[in-house]
Amino acid sequence: SQTIHQWPATLVQPVGSPLSLECTVEGTSNPNLYWYRQAAGRGLQLLFYSVGIGQISSEVPQNLSASRPQDRQFILSSKKLLLSDSGFYLCAWSVRTSSYNEQFFGPGTRLTVL
Amino acid sequence: AQSVTQLDSQVPVFEEAPVELRCNYSSSVSVYLFWYVQYPNQGLQLLLKYLSGSTLVKGINGFEAEFNKSQTSFHLRKPSVHISDTAEYFCAVSQGGGSEKLVFGKGTKLTVNP
Repeated sequence: SQTIHQWPATLVQPVGSPLSLECTVEGTSNPNLYWYRQAAGRGLQLLFYSVGIGQISSEVPQNLSASRPQDRQFILSSKKLLLSDSGFYLCAWSVRTSSYNEQFFGPGTRLTVL
Repeated sequence: AQSVTQLDSQVPVFEEAPVELRCNYSSSVSVYLFWYVQYPNQGLQLLLKYLSGSTLVKGINGFEAEFNKSQTSFHLRKPSVHISDTAEYFCAVSQGGGSEKLVFGKGTKLTVNP
């Protein structure tokens, strides 16, 4: 069966510090991968998605970036965090060949920027 | 472009009462529809999905939803809620045909009171 891992589970970082959040998927190959953010009162915002190694699509301009160094690994990064980067970050995957794109979510990372 | 509207941001109900969470979508082509549930500080979990066939879809935890093409709606219902159903519920639509993304509504916070 497939599983998706995210770490860390929680993170408290000062403004201006770097960020690296990691997501890995097990039990599937060639998945589509996604990063979402939930900020208070703002619903679920798609940040990045990837359909293959090194292929990243950005949905929202911001000071975050994403990378996919391996087929089942997706990393969210920032060089300098802002207060507005606080939120709950979710990684998800879907079967690339599926026509209906059902997505499966990880447990999330709670990021607090102080 | 597709969009999803969840008409109620918050729905308070008493335990054992029926509940309906409303979802409307806009799309010019055939769609696939999903309801996800998110418990506090957790990732999203699929409740149910409509891909084709019967317009009444049954999901986990006693929830069901009805696809109404003429009204472009996919409302979620449960005849008798429990305290444990307290969570946030997200409606989502996928256009299919190789589209990589789900479009999510802003979510409905269901609070079940004793």
